[in-house]
Amino acid sequence: DTEVTQTPKHLVMGMTNKKSLKCEQHMGHRAMYWYKQKAKKPPELMFVYSYEKLSINESVPSRFSPECPNSSLLNLHLHALQPEDSALYLCASSQEAGRETQYFGPGTRLLVL
Amino acid sequence: SQQGEEDPQALSIQEGENATMNCSYKTSINNLQWYRQNSGRGLVHLILIRSNEREKHSGRLRVTLDTSKKSSSLLITASRAADTASYFCATDPQGAQKLVFGQGTRLTINP
Repeated sequence: DTEVTQTPKHLVMGMTNKKSLKCEQHMGHRAMYWYKQKAKKPPELMFVYSYEKLSINESVPSRFSPECPNSSLLNLHLHALQPEDSALYLCASSQEAGRETQYFGPGTRLLVL
Repeated sequence: SQQGEEDPQALSIQEGENATMNCSYKTSINNLQWYRQNSGRGLVHLILIRSNEREKHSGRLRVTLDTSKKSSSLLITASRAADTASYFCATDPQGAQKLVFGQGTRLTINP
């Protein structure tokens, strides 16, 4: 199974809402990633988890809160987002953090009103 | 910060022609990877070339790497309409536990 799943596929939320994005992989990978991607731009790394510990936070605002409950799951908790946070949020995993091939989920399309 | 730059930003060719995309990067790397992204979807890994390799093939894909020039190219031969997508190179700066993606090339294959 080389699939990374993400839910929901689409999400519309107001600036006062709290929501969560979920990501799951069953490849036994020990690294998981969150990326943000705006239209016609490359993915921008937000967070890296290695062996269930946060290893990289690319100076992401605190209204984004990642969580890794176990080696297969990765969540991104959203609170008090701004309209400019509207984007495609991609989850990825790899055997180890860094140089390895990354496997991406289909993404969650987020719209903040 | 993005380390990779790709050119062209957009490329439109006829089906059956070859497509070449280029990637340049700034720092020493361990590997360079190429990914494809269909519109609004996740990225799909195409090929990984290590810093001690100069050329690699996978089906209709050919990747070259020139570490002295800090550049790579991706050649897609005999293009098909299904190859229409954005293509990104990604590098792993030495010492960093992450990939850095280039700006991407938007490829359109016209039937």
